[in-house]
Amino acid sequence: DSGVTQTPKHLITATGQRVTLRCSPRSGDLSVYWYQQSLDQGLQFLIQYYNGEERAKGNILERFSAQQFPDLHSELNLSSLELGDSALYFCASSLGPTGTGELFFGEGSRLTVL
Amino acid sequence: GENVEQHPSTLSVQEGDSAVIKCTYSDSASNYFPWYKQELGKGPQLIIDIRSNVGEKKDQRIAVTLNKTAKHFSLHITETQPEDSAVYFCAYDSNYQLIWGAGTKLIIKP
Repeated sequence: DSGVTQTPKHLITATGQRVTLRCSPRSGDLSVYWYQQSLDQGLQFLIQYYNGEERAKGNILERFSAQQFPDLHSELNLSSLELGDSALYFCASSLGPTGTGELFFGEGSRLTVL
Repeated sequence: GENVEQHPSTLSVQEGDSAVIKCTYSDSASNYFPWYKQELGKGPQLIIDIRSNVGEKKDQRIAVTLNKTAKHFSLHITETQPEDSAVYFCAYDSNYQLIWGAGTKLIIKP
């Protein structure tokens, strides 16, 4: 158990809809990262927050947004969903603001867009 | 932008044999090189990492080697076991963010 909690584990929705994925980081970690993993694909970095502030941005679509709350949990909002958004979405956390320490991954939220 | 090439994409080895996965990176300023293992249905987990001040690091059956001059690093797994079957990702830091390889699916044949 990594200590990172993601909800929901599975989500099925229709094109055009909006969903919110939630992540609770490991106790004490200040950074939260969001990754997208499509079928048999690698990890695509979306965005990172550190202590409530956006720290780094990767290949995140304009239809997607995220935030980190004062209690350090984070939410990833996906809107105007398309079939191609179907993927596993991982949250990871780390203690510091940089990527030079261990990342602890949750078990992911599997999104299916029909 | 920065990238890392990871080879092979799939590796099938006999149980008990060794497995080697190689990554080549582009940012010569990189100092941190982790390897993550992703088992089926789970999130990736760090298995070993190396920093640029050393050339090799071992942890039981797993070792990582780093050649900064050639800008490549490798994961070595000896005496492979069924539980080693997974997808392995290399990564390196560029401007304090991780750049990920595409992954290697390791299959251990009984």
